[in-house]
Amino acid sequence: EAGVTQFPSHSVIEKGQTVTLRCDPISGHDNLYWYRRVMGKEIKFLLHFVKESKQDESGMPNNRFLAERTGGTYSTLKVQPAELEDSGVYFCASSQVRALPWGYYEQYFGPGTRLTVT
Amino acid sequence: LAKTTQPISMDSYEGQEVNITCSHNNIATNDYITWYQQFPSQGPRFIIQGYKTKVTNEVASLFIPADRKSSTLSLPRVSLSDTAVYYCLSSRGGSARQLTFGSGTQLTVLP
Repeated sequence: EAGVTQFPSHSVIEKGQTVTLRCDPISGHDNLYWYRRVMGKEIKFLLHFVKESKQDESGMPNNRFLAERTGGTYSTLKVQPAELEDSGVYFCASSQVRALPWGYYEQYFGPGTRLTVT
Repeated sequence: LAKTTQPISMDSYEGQEVNITCSHNNIATNDYITWYQQFPSQGPRFIIQGYKTKVTNEVASLFIPADRKSSTLSLPRVSLSDTAVYYCLSSRGGSARQLTFGSGTQLTVLP
């Protein structure tokens, strides 16, 4: 079974430019999450999709970030315009109900996209 | 969700058993304790989850005492490849909510 994939693995852009990150979740996973770790900080939640709907976007830092999940499959995260403080690693994760008595949703993470804004 | 506290780093030698303790004094009745592992240049990976007493799988064991204010992740006979960051998180049972990561514990296994 293919895992969560993210593209690109690394992106270097100049301040003010636009970058679009892509995430392909595990097939059949309705839940899709975006997280990021900026330099020296902890991994922070950005937003959560259930199929194509945004369930929780409370972690999105500002309106320069736009996430979409058309058709409930892959997702994109666009940063426009990028700022220096956006540099970091962006992780995508997906989940479906795991076959445990309490219905725990194990999240499967992709390898991340390292974004460098210069 | 309960705030978790764990050591910043630990060193061990190959073949030893490693125990990483996590404190979660304010854990709620509906919360479970979940551990993730992260290798460099990879995303976090689920290791184990438990509510209380002891849970064991092919990778690790998790001990949670009756008061559930702490938990201990036990890795038997570690190898160099177990060098990673280990995160202790509280997770709401039956919920698909986001995960809240702390600083984690950097485990370094030495030869």
